Amino acid sequence: AQSVTQPDIHITVSEGASLELRCNYSYGATPYLFWYVQSPGQGLQLLLKYFSGDTLVQGIKGFEAEFKRSQSSFNLRKPSVHWSDAAEYFCAVGAPGTASKLTFGTGTRLQVTL
Amino acid sequence: KAGVTQTPRYLIKTRGQQVTLSCSPISGHRSVSWYQQTPGQGLQFLFEYFSETQRNKGNFPGRFSGRQFSNSRSEMNVSTLELGDSALYLCASSLSPGANVLTFGAGSRLTVL
Repeated sequence: AQSVTQPDIHITVSEGASLELRCNYSYGATPYLFWYVQSPGQGLQLLLKYFSGDTLVQGIKGFEAEFKRSQSSFNLRKPSVHWSDAAEYFCAVGAPGTASKLTFGTGTRLQVTL
Repeated sequence: KAGVTQTPRYLIKTRGQQVTLSCSPISGHRSVSWYQQTPGQGLQFLFEYFSETQRNKGNFPGRFSGRQFSNSRSEMNVSTLELGDSALYLCASSLSPGANVLTFGAGSRLTVL
């Protein structure tokens, strides 16, 4: 069975500082990997996805993520955080071709201090 | 282009009642999936519909059901509500089951008293 671990429940960074959110997955083959963001009272917005190819993927809002097969990781990064990035971030894994059935991590809540 | 629309956005029910939630997918999207989000269990897959047929189902009791209409709109129903059913119910649509990218709606927040 597939699973996703986000070890950090809550992270606080200063505006302008860099950010890295960790995500580890368990899956038998190469999965489809996603990062979503959720603002309070809102649904999920897709930040970026990895299906195959270049292991460094670029997303919206200046985010990027790197797929590392050897570490079963898909960490999310941003060089300089803005106060508007404060939200909850979810990593998810899906089986190729049937990614409507996603398995999500428990999320990391990001707080940004001014 | 309109996004995924869920109605109602908020509702309050009492134990034992039933509830129906509605989801209109993005125009042209034919696959609709439902997720439950709670503080304790996180985001969990409920079911997926395509061409009016349920294709996948998560690990939820039979009180949770859904359907899809010919225009791809979907409804989910929860019967005999329990306190633990209080959650944000999220609908997501995609072009097809294998399209691999879900677009989520804002959700319907259900409170069971």
